[in-house]
Amino acid sequence: TQLLEQSPQFLSIQEGENLTVYCNSSSVFSSLQWYRQEPGEGPVLLVTVVTGGEVKKLKRLTFQFGDARKDSSLHITAAQPGDTGLYLCPDNNAGNMLTFGGGTRLMVKP
Amino acid sequence: DVKVTQSSRYLVKRTGEKVFLECVQDMDHENMFWYRQDPGLGLRLIYFSYDVKMKEKGDIPEGYSVSREKKERFSLILESASTNQTSMYLCASRLAGGYNEQFFGPGTRLTVL
Repeated sequence: TQLLEQSPQFLSIQEGENLTVYCNSSSVFSSLQWYRQEPGEGPVLLVTVVTGGEVKKLKRLTFQFGDARKDSSLHITAAQPGDTGLYLCPDNNAGNMLTFGGGTRLMVKP
Repeated sequence: DVKVTQSSRYLVKRTGEKVFLECVQDMDHENMFWYRQDPGLGLRLIYFSYDVKMKEKGDIPEGYSVSREKKERFSLILESASTNQTSMYLCASRLAGGYNEQFFGPGTRLTVL
């Protein structure tokens, strides 16, 4: 059962725009990871958030973990074509396993 | 940095061939995983291994087997390749405990003709 819902599924924006991607659940997570997968490559771990309300920044990317640890968001400022890819926040409540959904497919046009 | 390598980036095989996909990680991780990724279906877990010589079936193990003789190496075997096994195959490793962070290889795009 997929516990995590990501939205939107697809996003196409122009270079320089800002965007936010969401990951929502009715369950509490002890931690949550965000990955980015570029076309033809494997997913790359971007960040792990652990504490409710935590905010982590990675250059133009800002990750937030909800206070109740049931949701997370990824905000990209001034998106660039290099940000194009599939953004994934897998469900990690099944022991050692990660369950991946469809993610958010982002395209940033120059 | 964790490095996970996969033996081939692209592979073309014929129906009925036996196919070996190799994955090596250099960070002494206990856990290793094989996924396949298909359009519209996301990443699906085929097999995983908690440690050397240990293996567990994932969600879609049919038609696959695995081997973990050494800690750093996890092999995926297609005993008799079929066209419906054409896919992107991704290997990942993870340090036991911690925050369940998995580190992925670059993938092998397998085409079965």
